[in-house]
Amino acid sequence: KQEVTQIPAALSVPEGENLVLNCSFTDSAIYNLQWFRQDPGKGLTSLLLIQSSQREQTSGRLNASLDKSSGRSTLYIAASQPGDSATYLCAPSGSARQLTFGSGTQLTVLP
Amino acid sequence: GAVVSQHPSRVICKSGTSVKIECRSLDFQATTMFWYRQFPKKSLMLMATSNEGSKATYEQGVEKDKFLINHASLTLSTLTVTSAHPEDSSFYICSAPRTGPITDTQYFGPGTRLTVL
Repeated sequence: KQEVTQIPAALSVPEGENLVLNCSFTDSAIYNLQWFRQDPGKGLTSLLLIQSSQREQTSGRLNASLDKSSGRSTLYIAASQPGDSATYLCAPSGSARQLTFGSGTQLTVLP
Repeated sequence: GAVVSQHPSRVICKSGTSVKIECRSLDFQATTMFWYRQFPKKSLMLMATSNEGSKATYEQGVEKDKFLINHASLTLSTLTVTSAHPEDSSFYICSAPRTGPITDTQYFGPGTRLTVL
């Protein structure tokens, strides 16, 4: 059974800092991996999707890397802004396309 | 882009009643949809996989008679919480994978907050 761990659980930084959020998973036989953002009381917004054959994906200030063999992914946020404050969730996908979620990293960017 | 809707967004009901939640893929067909629940300040837990034209597949520990899933069409799956009790209060979210040229991307609905009094 896939298990996903995200570190740190919470992070508070001043505006402008570059951040790294970490995700590790136990079963490396994944189909792909997605990073999501969740605002309080809301649904999920997909940020980045990395195919199992890829090493990284970039979208704007976000960069996600994947090391499937070691079961790790990182989300890098450049020049953080208060609007980036949210919970970030890592979710590898199994062969049946089901996602297993980590417990998330709650990010607070202070103005 | 792909959109998945859920209805209702919020429901409050009395203990013992049944509540139906709808999940629709608005601009693509989904033979499979997934149902998750999320407790406060916790992550999402997969409850079941909804399969169009066949029975849903439930995760270990999820009562299939309590959480009835019907995948009525290629764009609609429903989750019915039967005889709801306060411990069923939670945030329920559905998702549908959309097949792309290279890989599938999961799109999530906005969620339904259920409160059972």
